[in-house]
Amino acid sequence: AQTVTQSQPEMSVQEAETVTLSCTYDTSESDYYLFWYKQPPSRQMILVIRQEAYKQQNATENRFSVNFQKAAKSFSLKISDSQLGDAAMYFCALDNAGNMLTFGGGTRLMVKP
Amino acid sequence: EAGVVQSPRYKIIEKKQPVAFWCNPISGHNTLYWYRQNLGQGPELLIRYENEEAVDDSQLPKDRFSAERLKGVDSTLKIQPAELGDSAVYLCASSEDRGRRSNEQFFGPGTRLTVL
Repeated sequence: AQTVTQSQPEMSVQEAETVTLSCTYDTSESDYYLFWYKQPPSRQMILVIRQEAYKQQNATENRFSVNFQKAAKSFSLKISDSQLGDAAMYFCALDNAGNMLTFGGGTRLMVKP
Repeated sequence: EAGVVQSPRYKIIEKKQPVAFWCNPISGHNTLYWYRQNLGQGPELLIRYENEEAVDDSQLPKDRFSAERLKGVDSTLKIQPAELGDSAVYLCASSEDRGRRSNEQFFGPGTRLTVL
């Protein structure tokens, strides 16, 4: 069975600063995918970034980047130059069976002006 | 391009009543998912469809939950009878088969169900 753990229920960051959200996972598969999703109060989940496990290079999408440590089964999300619009719930998710997402419990990110 | 459409956005019912949720995926997306998201938690997959076939429904409580995806397009999730513990947000998502092992899922806004 696969599990995803987000140990930070809430995080706070000052506008324009950098924040890192943590995620650890467990899977027995060697080929899998990891995702970070953002869920604003409107509830619509939006894909932020994805990482294929076979790629050693960390994925980046503009102000968002990940630190993928495969041996440690760690997948953290770094948000640079935080903006007020980044405030939301962030979910880490694992797909190790082909289009079967397992989500973590989420981290609520607050951005202070 | 229209996203995943769900209705209703909110539903309040009394326990033991039936309820149904409707989802229209993005045009051309052959895979459709139903998730349940309890308050303060991440979504959990209930059922996944490949076209009109349910390929994974192991997490669907079959005694009271049912789903269908006739013609492989839109889908309906039903609960009968509803229980207090069914209060949650029900999310629908869809993805296009691009030959990858994992395809990006696009989510709808969800239906918030409250059972009194």
